[in-house]
Amino acid sequence: NAGVTQTPKFQVLKTGQSMTLQCAQDMNHNSMYWYRQDPGMGLRLIYYSASEGTTDKGEVPNGYNVSRLNKREFSLRLESAAPSQTSVYFCASESGKTNTGELFFGEGSRLTVL
Amino acid sequence: GNSVTQMEGPVTLSEEAFLTINCTYTATGYPSLFWYVQYPGEGLQLLLKATKADDKGSNKGFEATYRKETTSFHLEKGSVQVSDSAVYFCALYLYNFNKFYFGSGTKLNVKP
Repeated sequence: NAGVTQTPKFQVLKTGQSMTLQCAQDMNHNSMYWYRQDPGMGLRLIYYSASEGTTDKGEVPNGYNVSRLNKREFSLRLESAAPSQTSVYFCASESGKTNTGELFFGEGSRLTVL
Repeated sequence: GNSVTQMEGPVTLSEEAFLTINCTYTATGYPSLFWYVQYPGEGLQLLLKATKADDKGSNKGFEATYRKETTSFHLEKGSVQVSDSAVYFCALYLYNFNKFYFGSGTKLNVKP
């Protein structure tokens, strides 16, 4: 029962470096999301994908890009990392087939930008 | 706009104490409401949910009732355990917008 799998779990970058966070789900869900979690601010939506082939900006999209590679995979890319992007990142998925919603989360990726 | 407001923490209780974490929301339309729990070093996991007014969600001794008249979804547990120490998030989902909105989280510390 893998659910939602994120890689890497930990990463340290220098300012200006780039990296991609990978996310895959095995539940045949239509919708996928990327959130960041910062102390005292809860979860903030970066980007989401309602279905394969579509992506939309969330609350805090600046500095990020996403790719919905196929139904299973949804990656988040930082082109030029900044210290303000130090955070814990969570990928989540939702079936998209009911009107009641339930998110399934990965274990998170802790990113530090020096 | 759509938003969720929950009480700030941390909340510190002794084992077997009664727990209430307040959550209120504003939403256009008819949201589903959720409580998620995050244990240290882990992702969020669903604790309970309610999909329409007056529904009561329950799980692991926790309960919350969807109150449309007061736009609230307060989390309660009659007797907390040390193992309940975690961060609790209230959230709403709007199907028409395919979006979730989260509160800022409330950290619960339960002492033996």
